[in-house]
Amino acid sequence: EPEVTQTPSHQVTQMGQEVILRCVPISNHLYFYWYRQILGQKVEFLVSFYNNEISEKSEIFDDQFSVERPDGSNFTLKIRSTKLEDSAMYFCASSVAGGRTEAFFGQGTRLTVV
Amino acid sequence: GQQLNQSPQSMFIQEGEDVSMNCTSSSIFNTWLWYKQDPGEGPVLLIALYKAGELTSNGRLTAQFGITRKDSFLNISASIPSDVGIYFCAGLGDLYNNNDMRFGAGTRLTVKP
Repeated sequence: EPEVTQTPSHQVTQMGQEVILRCVPISNHLYFYWYRQILGQKVEFLVSFYNNEISEKSEIFDDQFSVERPDGSNFTLKIRSTKLEDSAMYFCASSVAGGRTEAFFGQGTRLTVV
Repeated sequence: GQQLNQSPQSMFIQEGEDVSMNCTSSSIFNTWLWYKQDPGEGPVLLIALYKAGELTSNGRLTAQFGITRKDSFLNISASIPSDVGIYFCAGLGDLYNNNDMRFGAGTRLTVKP
């Protein structure tokens, strides 16, 4: 069964460092998403991406964050100059289409900023 | 942005009991989704609802999309220990205006054998 895969599963980084979280969406999907979940809290939308550009982003997704689809299979989230409060699970998701179609999630990357 | 209110926050039930949880919103959604999250895992889709009034079942799970498009409920019948986890509702907006999915705060379910 096709699935969204994310690497690494865990990442520990020092405050101020840059991290890149990687995702391989399901191959025939066209919409890609990043979500964040701080420990014990709800899943929060960060950004959606379609046709090689950001289609929507939340207030969380500020200049510290960027996304890229560097090739035909990977979808990355870059966090510049990480802060302690960036520690969270980051989930990638993909869907066949936007709006009305359900998104499928990866297993997540646990980011710890120390 | 659109906010979802999910209740209850947590439930402690005996194996075999039925469970009901719901989500409400002040905004209209075009699609309601219910996900389950196990510890350390990503959310897994349980049921997707596309039309107001739609009632959909998936095994012991039943979910309904409210007529007003501002609410949804999820029922689990005859609960079993593996139903333990956090259940999230999620709403998707209009196809042309909104590609993001908003989540409720989750219902943490504990099932006692």
